[in-house]
Amino acid sequence: NAGVTQTPKFQVLKTGQSMTLQCAQDMNHEYMSWYRQDPGMGLRLIHYSVGAGITDQGEVPNGYNVSRSTTEDFPLRLLSAAPSQTSVYFCASSYGRLAMNEKLFFGSGTQLSVL
Amino acid sequence: DAKTTQPTSMDCAEGRAANLPCNHSTISGNEYVYWYRQIHSQGPQYIIHGLKNNETNEMASLIITEDRKSSTLILPHATLRDTAVYYCIVRDPWVQGAQKLVFGQGTRLTINP
Repeated sequence: NAGVTQTPKFQVLKTGQSMTLQCAQDMNHEYMSWYRQDPGMGLRLIHYSVGAGITDQGEVPNGYNVSRSTTEDFPLRLLSAAPSQTSVYFCASSYGRLAMNEKLFFGSGTQLSVL
Repeated sequence: DAKTTQPTSMDCAEGRAANLPCNHSTISGNEYVYWYRQIHSQGPQYIIHGLKNNETNEMASLIITEDRKSSTLILPHATLRDTAVYYCIVRDPWVQGAQKLVFGQGTRLTINP
């Protein structure tokens, strides 16, 4: 199993450009989520999904869109990138709906710079 | 409101036990305590979790006080590879919104040779 795979690892955008961060997992996990981490800070939840076709907002959803058309994939879209979105983005997944005994598995991150 | 309070940073000598405290004085009866760590710029890694009883796995031990208002993560024989930021998280897995796992600032643990 590859686990949670994020692409790209690095990306530089200009203000106003759009892009999609890809996240895929091959563990048949129901739950997937996106976090961002700014320098020296903890992780903040952007969006999450508890199954195909179901998404919900986290702490900092503004400026980001998500969809979950398959169990495996959970892409994060930036429609019009802003410098404030410069951050490291982590995707995570869990087997069930993050119940008691379930643990999150994280990808290796995407470092995004918006100029 | 912060649910947990952790020291900003700690040091420990290699080979010694590293004891990381976490205060969660407002914890409710159904809330579990979870620990994750983040090594350098990698994605966080699950370590352990517990409700009331002490827990141990291959990575660490979790000691929860009887009143559940604080806990300690113990790395019994710390190595240089244990240098990381450690996050203590409390969460009720059964309430609406439980899928929102909230990470605080964590404790930056440095293992010294």
